[in-house]
Amino acid sequence: DIQMTQSPASLSASMGDRVTITCRASQHISNYLTWYQQKPGKAPELLIYGASNLQSGVPSRFSGGGTGTDFTLTITNLQPEDCATYFCLQTYSTPTWTFGQGTKVEIK
Amino acid sequence: QVQLQQSGPGLVKPSQTLSLTCAISGDSVSNKTSTWNWIRQSPSRGLQWLGRTYYRSKWYHEYAVSVKSRIIINPDTSKNQFSLQLNSVSPDDTAVYYCARVSSSGDWLHFDSWGQGSLVTVSS
Repeated sequence: DIQMTQSPASLSASMGDRVTITCRASQHISNYLTWYQQKPGKAPELLIYGASNLQSGVPSRFSGGGTGTDFTLTITNLQPEDCATYFCLQTYSTPTWTFGQGTKVEIK
Repeated sequence: QVQLQQSGPGLVKPSQTLSLTCAISGDSVSNKTSTWNWIRQSPSRGLQWLGRTYYRSKWYHEYAVSVKSRIIINPDTSKNQFSLQLNSVSPDDTAVYYCARVSSSGDWLHFDSWGQGSLVTVSS
């Protein structure tokens, strides 16, 4: 299976900050990378697909980048409602898609 | 808008069978452009895809290698739902279980609709 490694495991930032989460794949996955946001007690919600395509309805302060093995999720102008855990997911290796272990984002 | 509603027991004894159902509204389990998946989440394993069923002129079932010997995912077209059976469970199978739909945005596939999650505890 393709292993997905996220960093950092957690971060604390101030309102209005720019934060970046990275996700590294154990092998080339082209742009088959999806980002999800999960709040406590809720199912994950789709943020970005195809590495950089913003899902409809997601605020434009979220953006994704990267290709191959290295990817980023950036949140600009961090808002209180962005406190959540973020997961990457590779959809390159079908059917066994694999998730990163998550990055917990908190507000200072 | 697609909605997935999960149901099933929250407590299962070791060595017994975990059974969950996911009722679909706003889509059809027989839709040839969707797949229907089960995923679980635990502190020790994180998020783990377990398997899927889908219809493409016939039914397909695909499972994660780690659970392949003891998992069955079946569609029920009469009730527009699909189910998960996980046999011979152990405490290591304790997790929140989610059903989820995969659909596409152009060339990209992703889990775009999820059930509410079901905490299943394996304990005697």
